[in-house]
Amino acid sequence: EADIYQTPRYLVIGTGKKITLECSQTMGHDKMYWYQQDPGMELHLIHYSYGVNSTEKGDLSSESTVSRIRTEHFPLTLESARPSHTSQYLCASSDGSINEQFFGPGTRLTVL
Amino acid sequence: AQRVTQPEKLLSVFKGAPVELKCNYSYSGSPELFWYVQYSRQRLQLLLRHISRESIKGFTADLNKGETSFHLKKPFAQEEDSAMYYCALSPLNTDKLIFGTGTRLQVFP
Repeated sequence: EADIYQTPRYLVIGTGKKITLECSQTMGHDKMYWYQQDPGMELHLIHYSYGVNSTEKGDLSSESTVSRIRTEHFPLTLESARPSHTSQYLCASSDGSINEQFFGPGTRLTVL
Repeated sequence: AQRVTQPEKLLSVFKGAPVELKCNYSYSGSPELFWYVQYSRQRLQLLLRHISRESIKGFTADLNKGETSFHLKKPFAQEEDSAMYYCALSPLNTDKLIFGTGTRLQVFP
């Protein structure tokens, strides 16, 4: 079944740890996105990709990095987690033709 | 600056009452506008887009360029409409979405 997956769903980690948030989609979409959302706030685009080996920073500056080696996989990495990184991270994909984005279930990250 | 404003964090109505969720935007041009919805324990999903001019689950939204608004309306709210609603803007010729802060709609029986 075509879907978009995010793991882990919840992560509690200590300051200074390196973490990777996984995002995979079986929708066959070329375009993928990462959003960050603090409680009660809007979603902010932090990274996007229009295809393999294409990555761009979004409108909100983020210390995270992304890679797009395979069409279906768009992981996000934080080299050294800090409490300010505590947030929800949402991954999305689209085929770009009608500009509808499909969202994953999200990863809720807490950095102690 | 490109911005989406949803002035109400919470809107509470009784079943059968009309609903209007407000959305104003700032953008120097003709954007694409969307309403996304997140039901309890479900993912964020597209509800409707202004270019399709359709009614989804009884909801409609009209783009008012003069007032730079894209309010979401439904004449008779149902309990299953209770959810978080986000207005979003996509600048012309981009695939990016700029979201508002969202409005939680509570429909009481």
